[in-house]
Amino acid sequence: GAVVSQHPSRVICKSGTSVKIECRSLDFQATTMFWYRQFPKQSLMLMATSNEGSKATYEQGVEKDKFLINHASLTLSTLTVTSAHPEDSSFYICSAIQRAIGQETQYFGPGTRLLVL
Amino acid sequence: AQTVTQSQPEMSVQEAETVTLSCTYDTSESDYYLFWYKQPPSRQMILVIRQEAYKQQNATENRFSVNFQKAAKSFSLKISDSQLGDAAMYFCAYLSNFGNEKLTFGTGTRLTIIP
Repeated sequence: GAVVSQHPSRVICKSGTSVKIECRSLDFQATTMFWYRQFPKQSLMLMATSNEGSKATYEQGVEKDKFLINHASLTLSTLTVTSAHPEDSSFYICSAIQRAIGQETQYFGPGTRLLVL
Repeated sequence: AQTVTQSQPEMSVQEAETVTLSCTYDTSESDYYLFWYKQPPSRQMILVIRQEAYKQQNATENRFSVNFQKAAKSFSLKISDSQLGDAAMYFCAYLSNFGNEKLTFGTGTRLTIIP
């Protein structure tokens, strides 16, 4: 299957700092990427849809000024957690859609574990 | 809105045996996709199998197969000859063929393989 990378895999930061997470589709172009958050022992919670060349679409309850998303190219989307606080500590996962005739599949990155002290 | 239900929070199976994970969904649409994703302890989400709703034939990928019952809105996953590496959380997911391309996930089933 297609490959999606995420960087960094793990980050620890102090409260009040900003953290940037990168999501790349390595062997295909993705006009649409998604950002999820996953709490322990729970399913994935969609935060936002990242669209290349346009503004991201945020799910209800997700602060767009807190979680800045930029999709500057067909292979890269970034999520910046601004002024991070301990409650932002979580596992963040991105995915990218690979489209082929008659098939559309989301492939996921390996995730980023964020710990805010 | 679509919903996906996985009624088994945990399942266990003896190594080399067969196990079936249940998934039901609710939708008014006729054209959609269904997926099973696996999340091992590494937390990497891995696509296990996909099914197009317009196909009557059940999808199969090696030891993994599905029983897709469109009228009953059921999409179960069968794992044959279970291996230790199959231990993971398994998520069932729905994707509409119309519009927003968002996956709707079930709550997951944790599968334990007993040696």
